[in-house]
Amino acid sequence: TQLLEQSPQFLSIQEGENLTVYCNSSSVFSSLQWYRQEPGEGPVLLVTVVTGGEVKKLKRLTFQFGDARKDSSLHITAAQTGDTGLYLCAGENFGNEKLTFGTGTRLTIIP
Amino acid sequence: DTAVSQTPKYLVTQMGNDKSIKCEQNLGHDTMYWYKQDSKKFLKIMFSYNNKELIINETVPNRFSPKSPDKAHLNLHINSLELGDSAVYFCASSQDGDYGYTFGSGTRLTVV
Repeated sequence: TQLLEQSPQFLSIQEGENLTVYCNSSSVFSSLQWYRQEPGEGPVLLVTVVTGGEVKKLKRLTFQFGDARKDSSLHITAAQTGDTGLYLCAGENFGNEKLTFGTGTRLTIIP
Repeated sequence: DTAVSQTPKYLVTQMGNDKSIKCEQNLGHDTMYWYKQDSKKFLKIMFSYNNKELIINETVPNRFSPKSPDKAHLNLHINSLELGDSAVYFCASSQDGDYGYTFGSGTRLTVV
């Protein structure tokens, strides 16, 4: 069974601060996706990383895939209240046809 | 137009009842999924269908029976509902060769 552990599980910070969320596994993945989920809604895809060492930026969000393709991180610069939500990483392997989700990080940005 | 739509949004029912959740996607995607999200927000895959064919069945009790009448629809029927079935059920779809799933907004099932 492939497991993806996210840390921290909960994070509450002031608006304007920076933060990093980690997603770790002992398994190798072909790709790693990050989703954000808001209350009462389904997860929404933020980004996909596919190459070991890859870094992708989405405005104030920076995503990195580990060199060994077992871990990933999400860094948010100058957090805003709109960043509040549940962040989920998810790993996929070709031919496996399923996405394995991480344990989730609940982020709260305090105004 | 909603890309992946599920009905109902909320479902409250008594133990032992049988219920169905419907899902439709208008994205033309090849694969559809059912995921279960527990009270700790952990998302776990239940089933996956590709072009109406079952390709993943993740050790789900056989009280759960998915049905895909066509590529755009994947319904979930649950027999003899138990308290432990209470959760949020998400339908999702993806396109072969593309990354990323599109999720519906979920069905919150409460068994009393």
